[in-house]
Amino acid sequence: AQSVSQHNHHVILSEAASLELGCNYSYGGTVNLFWYVQYPGQHLQLLLKYFSGDPLVKGIKGFEAEFIKSKFSFNLRKPSVQWSDTAEYFCAVNGYSTLTFGKGTMLLVSP
Amino acid sequence: EAGVTQSPTHLIKTRGQQATLRCSPISGHTSVYWYQQALGLGLQFLLWYDEGEERNRGNFPPRFSGRQFPNYSSELNVNALELEDSALYLCASSLTGLGSGANVLTFGAGSRLTVL
Repeated sequence: AQSVSQHNHHVILSEAASLELGCNYSYGGTVNLFWYVQYPGQHLQLLLKYFSGDPLVKGIKGFEAEFIKSKFSFNLRKPSVQWSDTAEYFCAVNGYSTLTFGKGTMLLVSP
Repeated sequence: EAGVTQSPTHLIKTRGQQATLRCSPISGHTSVYWYQQALGLGLQFLLWYDEGEERNRGNFPPRFSGRQFPNYSSELNVNALELEDSALYLCASSLTGLGSGANVLTFGAGSRLTVL
């Protein structure tokens, strides 16, 4: 069965700081990888996705993620965070036709 | 385009009762997924329906069940409620199952179930 591990449960940053959230997965086959975001009081939204091709994928709001197959990783990055990026971030892997999520990382950005 | 809609928004039940949650997928989507989001546990996969059939279920007891109707809407039933069933139940839909093509899940806002 596939599994997803997110390295940090809570991250606190100041505005303009750079962000990197770690995500490692285990799955034996071809993977599709996702990052979802849940802003306070809002529903889960797709941030970005990787299916194939360029391992560096860009998403909404300036986020990007890099798929490193040899490390089974799909880390999320943003060069400069804003207060509005405060949210919970979930990494997910698609295997066996279901999406398996990590436990999430709560990001708090202080102004 | 209307998104995934779920009802009710909130539901309060007592132990031993039954809860029914409903989901309408995005128009044209045939696959419906249910997830449980309990505090500190992330999102746990519950059930997947496609074309009216249950295609897969997660590691949950049989008292969690559901069905998908001909119009692709779905309901989740939880029988013999326990305190630990208190959670946000999320429904998501995709064009077809996630195993085919470049499909993504679009989530609804969820139904908050509280068991007292």
